[in-house]
Amino acid sequence: EAGVTQFPSHSVIEKGQTVTLRCDPISGHDNLYWYRRVMGKEIKFLLHFVKESKQDESGMPNNRFLAERTGGTYSTLKVQPAELEDSGVYFCASSQEGLREQFFGPGTRLTVL
Amino acid sequence: RKEVEQDPGPFNVPEGATVAFNCTYSNSASQSFFWYRQDCRKEPKLLMSVYSSGNEDGRFTAQLNRASQYISLLIRDSKLSDSATYLCVVSRYSSASKIIFGSGTRLSIRP
Repeated sequence: EAGVTQFPSHSVIEKGQTVTLRCDPISGHDNLYWYRRVMGKEIKFLLHFVKESKQDESGMPNNRFLAERTGGTYSTLKVQPAELEDSGVYFCASSQEGLREQFFGPGTRLTVL
Repeated sequence: RKEVEQDPGPFNVPEGATVAFNCTYSNSASQSFFWYRQDCRKEPKLLMSVYSSGNEDGRFTAQLNRASQYISLLIRDSKLSDSATYLCVVSRYSSASKIIFGSGTRLSIRP
């Protein structure tokens, strides 16, 4: 069974540009999460989808971040416009309905110059 | 104060040694507890869930003390391949929901 996949693996952009990250969860997993690790800090929660609905978006830092999950399959996370402090590793995770164990993707390493 | 606190280490121990990590959490209403393992520049991977009664998986033993809000992980007969960062993870709910990470404890096993 394929795991969680994320694209791209790396992205280097300039401040003010837009970047879109993609996550494909494990097939059949209704729950999809976005997390972020910035340099020197712990991994922090951003957002939780249940199917196509946002269950919890309490971790989204500001309105420059927009997450979508149309059709309840893959998800995108767009940062517009990107700022220097957005640099970090963005992880996506998924879990089955009702289960706690989350499976993580390899992450997207974002560098904003 | 961070919601999940861990000793960052690094712990540097010889192969075959026993090593223990501790973690404390601040929210007494927390319901679910885990240890994840993260290799350098890789994603976190679930090592084991932690139950009130304590649980063991091969060389790994996890304990939970709800009264003290304390979680531990014991690794016996450590292997070189155990070198990684160990992340203490807590959730406020018993079902699918966001999880809260500690900053991790780095472990290095030397030959």
